[in-house]
Amino acid sequence: GAGVSQTPSNKVTEKGKYVELRCDPISGHTALYWYRQSLGQGPEFLIYFQGTGAADDSGLPNDRFFAVRPEGSVSTLKIQRTERGDSAVYLCASSFSFQGAGYTFGSGTRLTVV
Amino acid sequence: AQSVSQHNHHVILSEAASLELGCNYSYGGTVNLFWYVQYPGQHLQLLLKYFSGDPLVKGIKGFEAEFIKSKFSFNLRKPSVQWSDTAEYFCAVNAGGGGNKLTFGTGTQLKVEL
Repeated sequence: GAGVSQTPSNKVTEKGKYVELRCDPISGHTALYWYRQSLGQGPEFLIYFQGTGAADDSGLPNDRFFAVRPEGSVSTLKIQRTERGDSAVYLCASSFSFQGAGYTFGSGTRLTVV
Repeated sequence: AQSVSQHNHHVILSEAASLELGCNYSYGGTVNLFWYVQYPGQHLQLLLKYFSGDPLVKGIKGFEAEFIKSKFSFNLRKPSVQWSDTAEYFCAVNAGGGGNKLTFGTGTQLKVEL
């Protein structure tokens, strides 16, 4: 597509529930990134895919967070047993894979855990 | 690990005033540097980037940034701001050597008044 698409745009869930956030990157971008942005903060790195594999998952806060990209295109960020502290805007971005390539960001998914 | 500092959290200017937003990073090796902008209600967009060559980089909408290696800085400038420049501005760094992970600063909220 023309841009990075993220669905849903908003998600409200109860504490303890499981959620999935979807990202559809720009066609031809082999690199895909997930970031989390809390109020008043800059985006915080979570995980980066090169193709189907997670090249760097050092930003995932704990084992409740998991992400997949099975066919090297669409990615899903999965959060188990959600906590109120998980409330944030989850951003997806994609890029070409050369060093210094700028990202194209999606509009994000605003997750609220109540 | 690299970090990025943006010293000005909120800046208010009148139209036609000159703008300079500070950005300092901590990393001793080769870096790629970026400024992203987020207009109200929109997603993050790349404003400009530096990865080699001329340390004075020109971006979209009349913005420029200067990489000063000795000061670990990449300040954003615009000679004359417009009301439409009201947005949040994020500085980001990618440490050279592999991968394309960005570390973002906390952002500067710019408000331009008529």
